[in-house]
Amino acid sequence: GENVEQHPSTLSVQEGDSAVIKCTYSDSASNYFPWYKQELGKRPQLIIDIRSNVGEKKDQRIAVTLNKTAKHFSLHITETQPEDSAVYFCAAKSIGGSQGNLIFGKGTKLSVKP
Amino acid sequence: KAGVTQTPRYLIKTRGQQVTLSCSPISGHRSVSWYQQTPGQGLQFLFEYFSETQRNKGNFPGRFSGRQFSNSRSEMNVSTLELGDSALYLCASSLEQASRDTQYFGPGTRLTVL
Repeated sequence: GENVEQHPSTLSVQEGDSAVIKCTYSDSASNYFPWYKQELGKRPQLIIDIRSNVGEKKDQRIAVTLNKTAKHFSLHITETQPEDSAVYFCAAKSIGGSQGNLIFGKGTKLSVKP
Repeated sequence: KAGVTQTPRYLIKTRGQQVTLSCSPISGHRSVSWYQQTPGQGLQFLFEYFSETQRNKGNFPGRFSGRQFSNSRSEMNVSTLELGDSALYLCASSLEQASRDTQYFGPGTRLTVL
């Protein structure tokens, strides 16, 4: 089955710096890769997703890149702000396959210092 | 549209008891998936229901069960509770089958087993 590895587990940056979180997946059939942000005591919120027919996707300060050959995808946050502090989870699944569940990475705790 | 709702938000039970958690999906969504979130294991898939049928199941013991009603609301039941069942239980809804669509999470039910 699918396995998703996420690094680093913790990341501390200064406000205004960039943050990068990386994930690798094992199942070449996976074709959908969402990223969720979970603030303390709150639900995971979808912040960006990418499908395997696209190499990069941007939404304001957030971007995700996908390398299908290497089976890895990354989240890039530019000009970080204190409100970006949260746990970020990557996930993978195969859209259109029989197994619809998301396989999650273990999460990255991002701290943005003012 | 209202988001995914879950009740109750907090529960305290003792070992050996059983518990039922409820999830109401976003209006119009037909798929509900359940996940268990713990600090050690992260987010793990329990099962998915679509059109009142269980479509997919994760690697959890038979003590964990669920169902879905005709209005797409879903319940999850855990019998003979163990200390290790203490976790945040999240449900996620999607418009179509989870294998085809983006999932949106509810706020979770925090279960503590004493």
